[in-house]
Amino acid sequence: GENVEQHPSTLSVQEGDSAVIKCTYSDSASNYFPWYKQELGKGPQLIIDIRSNVGEKKDQRIAVTLNKTAKHFSLHITETQPEDSAVYFCAASRPNTGGFKTIFGAGTRLFVKA
Amino acid sequence: DARVTQTPRHKVTEMGQEVTMRCQPILGHNTVFWYRQTMMQGLELLAYFRNRAPLDDSGMPKDRFSAEMPDATLATLKIQPSEPRDSAVYFCASGSPSGGLSYEQYFGPGTRLTVT
Repeated sequence: GENVEQHPSTLSVQEGDSAVIKCTYSDSASNYFPWYKQELGKGPQLIIDIRSNVGEKKDQRIAVTLNKTAKHFSLHITETQPEDSAVYFCAASRPNTGGFKTIFGAGTRLFVKA
Repeated sequence: DARVTQTPRHKVTEMGQEVTMRCQPILGHNTVFWYRQTMMQGLELLAYFRNRAPLDDSGMPKDRFSAEMPDATLATLKIQPSEPRDSAVYFCASGSPSGGLSYEQYFGPGTRLTVT
């Protein structure tokens, strides 16, 4: 069935360093790839997304890349800050029964050490 | 600041009791999703509605779970009877078509359910 694998499960970086989280998906019909940040006790918050007709997208310190051929997409956070510490989820969405179905990765817990 | 609201934020109940969780989607959003989050299973889609009609509830245990949208401003998720394995955080999310390609989803703060 459809699957999204996310690596690493835990990532610890020093403040100011970059962090990279990688995901792979199995369903070639997926056409939308959002990334969510979840802080403790809160719901996931959409931070950036990319569509299948785009290879890269950047928003200030975060960027996402997509390789449709390899079914890989990645989140890059530069100049990390302690407030970036959270759990990050990737997801892959595809059209389904008149709507859309989204499969989430298992999450990456990012620790940014001051 | 438009956001999805959920009530209650926390619920502790005994096995066998009925649990009702409520969600108010962002005004104007026509699609509502219910997810369950646990440490073991991560984020699982239970059901989703478009224009108040159920589109997919294949992720939901039919014998005890039910989801409805009585009107455009309210979605409910009920569990009857509840079991300890239902303990999880339940999230509601809403969205709207985005360029005909896919939906951006905006999550509520969740309902943390504990069934003893």
